[in-house]
Amino acid sequence: DGGITQSPKYLFRKEGQNVTLSCEQNLNHDAMYWYRQDPGQGLRLIYYSQIVNDFQKGDIAEGYSVSREKKESFPLTVTSAQKNPTAFYLCATTTGGVSEAFFGQGTRLTVV
Amino acid sequence: AQSVTQPDIHITVSEGASLELRCNYSYGATPYLFWYVQSPGQGLQLLLKYFSGDTLVQGIKGFEAEFKRSQSSFNLRKPSVHWSDAAEYFCAVGAWGANNLFFGTGTRLTVIP
Repeated sequence: DGGITQSPKYLFRKEGQNVTLSCEQNLNHDAMYWYRQDPGQGLRLIYYSQIVNDFQKGDIAEGYSVSREKKESFPLTVTSAQKNPTAFYLCATTTGGVSEAFFGQGTRLTVV
Repeated sequence: AQSVTQPDIHITVSEGASLELRCNYSYGATPYLFWYVQSPGQGLQLLLKYFSGDTLVQGIKGFEAEFKRSQSSFNLRKPSVHWSDAAEYFCAVGAWGANNLFFGTGTRLTVIP
């Protein structure tokens, strides 16, 4: 069954800790994206990757890092430099060009 | 600059009533337009999309949207709302070759019996 899997669904981070959110897809899509969602602010782009071993910063990349070593995987690390990481994080994919975006079920990150 | 405006933050309708959610966009290229729906704590699901051709597009769950280039709008409609339609709705704009979709801030729909 094709789709996008994000894990974990819930994640708790202590102050000063780095955490990594997983995003795996078996849709064979080239492009992958990470969005952050906060109430009333819609979706804001953190990073995107259109091809393996290449990625670009989005609008709010500070405090985040990514890698794209495999076509299927695009993990997001929330570093200690991100001062307000509590949010809902969504991973998405698209085929070539901008057709439509397919979304994972999201990871809710909370700082404790 | 590219942007999407959803002027209604929250809309409440009665079950069985008609619905229209507004979306206005600003985009330099020929736009691709999308409507997504999100249930609480879930990802986004595509309702419908417009690339070209007929300006009235049909989507899933009985939704439709009309592209009006002169008004830079892509409003979502449903003739009769069901309680299960309660969710958050996002309008998005992109283009062929663009790196990203631009999303509006969303409209939360509440359905009352």
